Amino acid sequence: GESVGLHLPTLSVQEGDNSIINCAYSNSASDYFIWYKQESGKGPQFIIDIRSNMDKRQGQRVTVLLNKTVKHLSLQIAATQPGDSAVYFCAERPLSNDYKLSFGAGTTVTVRA
Amino acid sequence: DAGVTQSPTHLIKTRGQQVTLRCSPKSGHDTVSWYQQALGQGPQFIFQYYEEEERQRGNFPDRFSGHQFPNYSSELNVNALLLGDSALYLCASSFSGTGGSQPQHFGDGTRLSIL
Repeated sequence: GESVGLHLPTLSVQEGDNSIINCAYSNSASDYFIWYKQESGKGPQFIIDIRSNMDKRQGQRVTVLLNKTVKHLSLQIAATQPGDSAVYFCAERPLSNDYKLSFGAGTTVTVRA
Repeated sequence: DAGVTQSPTHLIKTRGQQVTLRCSPKSGHDTVSWYQQALGQGPQFIFQYYEEEERQRGNFPDRFSGHQFPNYSSELNVNALLLGDSALYLCASSFSGTGGSQPQHFGDGTRLSIL
């Protein structure tokens, strides 16, 4: 069946360093991928998305990389700040089907001062 | 521009009771999806509503039902509550006119606790 998973459940990062969060997916039909950030007591907040016709997309301090060959995507956060501490989820679905998003279990990022 | 709003924020029920959760989508959005998030897990898709009809359903029993109103707001109903229904219930909205090219936006959820 479909599944989206993250390689590591936790990540501890020194403030100012770059963070890399990884995600593996198994559904070959997925062609739209989204990263969400969820802070304690809040709902998932959209960070950045990427379609399967792209390998890389950049936002403000964030970059998403997609490797379709090995079904892997990653989220890079530059100059990690204390406010980046949260749980990060990757989610996927077919681009033409705005129905069900499939989420992984999440990676908890803790930023050390 | 208000985002997705959900009510109530917290709710405590006992086994066997029924509950109704409410969601108002982001302005301009016409599609509402509901997710269940257990502690320490990613959200799991329950169902999606568009044009006041259930468009797709995840692997949830018939105890979970919903409704969408003409103003695009939505309700999630859960009957015969079980201890395992304790979770954060998230509502997400999107605009169908983008052909699926835009992400769903989430509310902050309703924390449901079953005693």
